[in-house]
Amino acid sequence: ETGVTQTPRHLVMGMTNKKSLKCEQHLGHNAMYWYKQSAKKPLELMFVYSLEERVENNSVPSRFSPECPNSSHLFLHLHTLQPEDSALYLCASSQGSSRAADTQYFGPGTRLTVL
Amino acid sequence: AQSVSQHNHHVILSEAASLELGCNYSYGGTVNLFWYVQYPGQHLQLLLKYFSGDPLVKGIKGFEAEFIKSKFSFNLRKPSVQWSDTAEYFCAVNAHGDSNYQLIWGAGTKLIIKP
Repeated sequence: ETGVTQTPRHLVMGMTNKKSLKCEQHLGHNAMYWYKQSAKKPLELMFVYSLEERVENNSVPSRFSPECPNSSHLFLHLHTLQPEDSALYLCASSQGSSRAADTQYFGPGTRLTVL
Repeated sequence: AQSVSQHNHHVILSEAASLELGCNYSYGGTVNLFWYVQYPGQHLQLLLKYFSGDPLVKGIKGFEAEFIKSKFSFNLRKPSVQWSDTAEYFCAVNAHGDSNYQLIWGAGTKLIIKP
């Protein structure tokens, strides 16, 4: 266990559904990340929050909407997704508030399938 | 845009063989370099990282990596692999001057060790 938990672990949804992914870190870290991991492709950074403020948004479609209510919790709200959005969604956290050079601690991921 | 290239998607070795996994990046400035590992059924975790100083970095489980600036490379090595090293290995780079939060990831190398 790395101290980063994600729920649900698996999610199947239709294109018209609305669902949310949840991430919680128990490490006292200041930064949290959402990544998309697709087979045979590099990890894609989606969003970064530092001290509860969004500091990165890598041209992610608006059908993905992040929320960070406090430094321990991060959500990814999903609506009207496309089949190509099927992937493993990883959450990570790091101690520092300003450096990607900090070690990132990853959760187990949510395997999302969009039908 | 910066990129990270991992030369082999799959590597199969026998136990006790020597390992070298290639990683090259495309950025001419100062970088921080990382290798992460994902064992079957486990979370992504840090294997080792380079910030500055000695270009030969030692990590957990007998792994090491050498930063060769002139070759834009950060290859991962282990002199004698074990069956338990079966995993997927990811190289990642943080380019100074670029976003502080952005880690650029390689596509990963799946390593299978035959007992």
